[in-house]
Amino acid sequence: GAVVSQHPSRVICKSGTSVKIECRSLDFQATTMFWYRQFPKQSLMLMATSNEGSKATYEQGVEKDKFLINHASLTLSTLTVTSAHPEDSSFYICSAVAGGLNEQFFGPGTRLTVL
Amino acid sequence: ELKVEQNPLFLSMQEGKNYTIYCNYSTTSDRLYWYRQDPGKSLESLFVLLSNGAVKQEGRLMASLDTKARLSTLHITAAVHDLSATYFCAGAEAQKLVFGQGTRLTINP
Repeated sequence: GAVVSQHPSRVICKSGTSVKIECRSLDFQATTMFWYRQFPKQSLMLMATSNEGSKATYEQGVEKDKFLINHASLTLSTLTVTSAHPEDSSFYICSAVAGGLNEQFFGPGTRLTVL
Repeated sequence: ELKVEQNPLFLSMQEGKNYTIYCNYSTTSDRLYWYRQDPGKSLESLFVLLSNGAVKQEGRLMASLDTKARLSTLHITAAVHDLSATYFCAGAEAQKLVFGQGTRLTINP
């Protein structure tokens, strides 16, 4: 089956620092990747849609200058949380879609804690 | 804009009992998904429902889709403790997924 990995799985950082999260499709080429954020005991909220070679499309209310997304290849998308603050602490999950399929394959998630 | 609502949001039940989680959505959705999430983990895909009247079953879980009523159900038969988790349904708006609030299911011995 299609496997998506994320790195790191867990990160703790100080307020004001930047954190990069990688999302990789391991055994397929992902034309589109999605980034979600999930706060404790809440549902998943889509942050942005990332297409290889083009700028990401951000959902309303998501600051594009704070959450930088780069989708440089068909197997890798990165999310950089710039100048992280405690309110950015959350579970970040990526997903990937292979061309022509109806299903998103989810990564294992990255738990970010900002002190 | 697609909106997805689940009910109930919390469900505590005894082993051996049957129950149903409901998922209503507001506008046309090409497909409907069900996922399971264990604490601290990501999503595990359970079912993808692509057409009206679709029914899929895996073990003690069965999902169905009624596109005319804009309703999907996840039925649990003879629940066991291992099924305790949070269950999400999601509708599709083009390639985007819109998730319901989730149903936290606790199954007591």
